[in-house]
Amino acid sequence: SYVLTQPPSVSVAPGQTARITCGGNNIGSKSVHWYQQKPGQAPVLVVYDDSDRPSGIPERFSGSNSGNTATLTISRVEAGDEADYYCQVWDSSSDHRGVFGGGTKLTVL
Amino acid sequence: EVQLVESGGGLVQPGGSLRLSCAASGFTFSSYWMSWVRQAPGKGLEWVANIKQDGSEKYYVDSVKGRFTISRDNAKNSLYLQMNSLRAEDTAVYYCARVGSGYYSSWGQGTLVTVSS
Repeated sequence: SYVLTQPPSVSVAPGQTARITCGGNNIGSKSVHWYQQKPGQAPVLVVYDDSDRPSGIPERFSGSNSGNTATLTISRVEAGDEADYYCQVWDSSSDHRGVFGGGTKLTVL
Repeated sequence: EVQLVESGGGLVQPGGSLRLSCAASGFTFSSYWMSWVRQAPGKGLEWVANIKQDGSEKYYVDSVKGRFTISRDNAKNSLYLQMNSLRAEDTAVYYCARVGSGYYSSWGQGTLVTVSS
């Protein structure tokens, strides 16, 4: 099955830019989606189809996808962005499953 | 506003059963694939099962095949997960999620299932 690899943790100072990567074999050929999950809360979709934002998600959240790496970029990081972030692709080859990365803990210093 | 509200979680002994429910509102439930996704304590997200709009297709992660059954009642705007032969490793928060075009566009608040003696 398809495997997505994320760094366990990323740290950034307030006001700086955070980049969270998601690696997968030829992931650039797939649509990548990103979720934010704060402690004790359900995940929230923050980027879909590589770079689109759902309504209500700040423009500070953006995404890109090429080759073997997709990236979620959070500009002008705020304390409230501290959370776990998960990338996800859809595997429609067999059982139409959502495949998740292991998650990245974003710490705002 | 889209709302998904899970219920039915709790403490169950190994080998026991539970039935989770998810009440949907704010959208045309019968038009969407639906999923259950779980998260073990301190761990990441894991897809558990999918069901097509009319219930004609169902898919499961290998670890629950033969033990869990996903179903839906479009007349009641409800999604279900029947969980049998529960194991300690099934302990998790179970989320109901609406499937968009390859992503989970909305999530419930989750219901905790604890399998322990």
